[in-house]
This record gives sequence, structure tokens and C-alpha cells, in this order.
Amino acid sequence: GQNIDQPTEMTATEGAIVQINCTYQTSGFNGLFWYQQHAGEAPTFLSYNVLDGLEEKGRFSSFLSRSKGYSYLLLKELQMKDSASYLCAVSDSNYQLIWGAGTKLIIKP
Amino acid sequence: GAVVSQHPSRVICKSGTSVKIECRSLDFQATTMFWYRQFPKKSLMLMATSNEGSKATYEQGVEKDKFLINHASLTLSTLTVTSAHPEDSSFYICSARGGRGGDNEQFFGPGTRLTVL
Repeated sequence: GQNIDQPTEMTATEGAIVQINCTYQTSGFNGLFWYQQHAGEAPTFLSYNVLDGLEEKGRFSSFLSRSKGYSYLLLKELQMKDSASYLCAVSDSNYQLIWGAGTKLIIKP
Repeated sequence: GAVVSQHPSRVICKSGTSVKIECRSLDFQATTMFWYRQFPKKSLMLMATSNEGSKATYEQGVEKDKFLINHASLTLSTLTVTSAHPEDSSFYICSARGGRGGDNEQFFGPGTRLTVL
């Protein structure tokens, strides 16, 4: 079967760094997405990785290792507005997104 | 580019009525549109996939006679919740694939909050 695992909840301090991990087992792989979702809103796109390595975009970076079926989202200089759920999704062989359950990130002052 | 709109953003209806939700890709042609449902504190659940001009493909457990999907054009898909009941209350989100993302990236609408009384 297809499976995406990520922690249910994480807590971090404003100004700090946090890493959200995602492991996956899917039928085929056409890239991995990270989305941010604030309560009551639709997901917004953060990053897309299809090749191994680190992609940096401002305070957010995303890493992929296809051989390990592993990705992480790194958030630096955390701000209160970063409190949200972070969803990992893998595009399978049919280009269909397989979703993780999301990681709720709580930022404390 | 790659903007998806959804209408209405919120709807409250009485049990037994039908509700139509529209999903539009505003600046690109969406070859495929997806309808998701999300319960509080849960991840997205794919309900169905629709391609323009053909019947939608429903996920297991989703009643196709209750959740009618029409993908009449490359920029519009509609989801109709027929004979809505309180258990249908949820956050419904559409996404569209096409545009600059090609076959891969999905662009999400803002979602529709449905409350059935």
C-alpha cells in the first residue's frame, strides 16, 4: 500500500529552527510537495522536490532522499505566523497526490 | 498565474437540500480537477478526480449519486451535494492540475465551508 508518515504535532520557540520529517512508501514517485495550511484555509504551496538534495527558499528549505523515501521541511527564524499544519504529499506514478496526515506546528513566544 | 477560485466560500443549508460548489481555474486550462474533503484536524481526503468532458472517478467509499461532479469545461468543475445531511458538513476543497505546473503540481481553491443544519 501507499503510506506517508509525518509527526502529528511539534512545538518550537519563536526565532528557533524546526525540522519536520516525512517518510513515504508509494507506487512510483513523481516528486514530493510540502504545503502549509492554516486553520480553516486551503493548503498553500511551499516546495517541490523531485531530485535528491536541498532546495532553499527564504526561511524554508526542503530536502529529499529518494533512496531513503525521506524528506524534511526546515523552517528557520520561526515566526508566530508559522503556526500551522504542514502537509507532505507525494505524486505517485499516476501523478496523483498521496497525502500525509499533516504536522501541526505550534510556535511559542 | 495558476489561480483557482471556489464559490461559495461558505454555505449553510437545511437538511435535505442540495448545494452546488463551483471550482474555476482563472488563468489556465485545468486538464484535471480534484475534489477533496477535510474534517477538522484531519488531512485532505480525495473524493474524486475529474477530467474535462468525461465522467469523474470516485474514490472508494464516496457515493457518486450523492456527490455529483460535472467538469463541463477546462476551467470549471462543479460539485453538487445532493440531499445534504448534517454529516456532510465539512470543508470542501478543489484543486486543478495544468498550467505552469504541467502534469504535476496542483493548485488549490480557497475551500468551501458547508454546514448542514
